[in-house]
Amino acid sequence: GESVGLHLPTLSVQEGDNSIINCAYSNSASDYFIWYKQESGKGPQFIIDIRSNMDKRQGQRVTVLLNKTVKHLSLQIAATQPGDSAVYFCAEKVGGGGNKLTFGTGTQLKVEL
Amino acid sequence: NAGVTQTPKFRILKIGQSMTLQCTQDMNHNYMYWYRQDPGMGLKLIYYSVGAGITDKGEVPNGYNVSRSTTEDFPLRLELAAPSQTSVYFCASSLRDRNTEAFFGQGTRLTVV
Repeated sequence: GESVGLHLPTLSVQEGDNSIINCAYSNSASDYFIWYKQESGKGPQFIIDIRSNMDKRQGQRVTVLLNKTVKHLSLQIAATQPGDSAVYFCAEKVGGGGNKLTFGTGTQLKVEL
Repeated sequence: NAGVTQTPKFRILKIGQSMTLQCTQDMNHNYMYWYRQDPGMGLKLIYYSVGAGITDKGEVPNGYNVSRSTTEDFPLRLELAAPSQTSVYFCASSLRDRNTEAFFGQGTRLTVV
């Protein structure tokens, strides 16, 4: 079946370094790809999305890259801060009713001081 | 605005008991969702609703029921609790026209013993 998966379960970075979180997807019909951040004990929080006809989108300190050729998505966080420590989920949305999202299993980002 | 509010935050059920997880949102969002999150996993969609009076099954609906009598409320019912339903449950909502940005509640941690 269709799936969204992640390459690494845990990523440790030094404060101030850039972080890159990767995600593989398999559903070519997805029209949006999204990144969510989940802090311990909280619900997921939207970070940024990218439409399937785009290759790159930038937000505040974050950049999402989409490579449709290899079905790969990445989230880059610039100047990683302790507050960035969380689990990051990629998700995909297939066009149609309900705006249903399919989530990957998540990557734990740990920021070391 | 409170956003998405879930009650209770924690609950322990015995096998065979029933309960209702409450969810309400004050953002006038059309779409509402129920997800479950098992340890170390991503979120799986249980049920969703595109508006009052309309509900539909997600990926893992068995053992659950929902209703959407108002725009604000979307309760999730467990009729005969089973250990496999031990999980963290998240309610979310989104605007129809901003469909990748779902707003999540804080979650309900349910244990079935």
